[in-house]
Amino acid sequence: AQSVAQPEDQVNVAEGNPLTVKCTYSVSGNPYPFWYVQYPNRGLQFLLKYITGDNLVKGSYGFEAEFNKSQTSFHLKKPSALVSDSALYFCAVSAPYASKIIFGSGTRLSIRP
Amino acid sequence: KAGVTQTPRYLIKTRGQQVTLSCSPISGHRSVSWYQQTPGQGLQFLFEYFSETQRNKGNFPGRFSGRQFSNSRSEMNVSTLELGDSALYLCASSLGGKENQPQHFGDGTRLSIL
Repeated sequence: AQSVAQPEDQVNVAEGNPLTVKCTYSVSGNPYPFWYVQYPNRGLQFLLKYITGDNLVKGSYGFEAEFNKSQTSFHLKKPSALVSDSALYFCAVSAPYASKIIFGSGTRLSIRP
Repeated sequence: KAGVTQTPRYLIKTRGQQVTLSCSPISGHRSVSWYQQTPGQGLQFLFEYFSETQRNKGNFPGRFSGRQFSNSRSEMNVSTLELGDSALYLCASSLGGKENQPQHFGDGTRLSIL
């Protein structure tokens, strides 16, 4: 079965420190991974997506993601966390030719001042 | 460019009733997907419509149905409401042509069943 795994339900980081939110997936073909963020009482907001050939993708609000094809991972990173980064983060993977996007279970990121 | 608009934002219904939720996609987007989000089950895919045709369907009972109009606006209907249907229902639109196109989400309709 095709799946997307976010192994950590919650990640806690001090403001100013680097952060990593992990995502691995098991999707056949050449899937396209994405990251979304959700703030309270809002829908999901697109952060960034994998671009063919780029192992480090830069997105909105200083976030970037590291793509590793052999490990089928697409970890979200930020060099210096802000309190305003606290939110729920979803990894998603588009299954080629299936017109379907598979979402992970989400990771709650908490940045303490 | 206006974003994805979902109406209403909040809805309270009782068991056994039915409800219709509306979604207006971003102009030019032909694909509309619906998701159910609950604290326990996370984000679950309901169905996707593209050019008025249901292109993909999740594992929900037949009480959940949808449709898409020629202007790409979509509606979702839930009949014979159950307490477990209480959730945030999210709509997302995309151009729909290629796998690497991101989805753009509305702020959802929060449905509460009493």
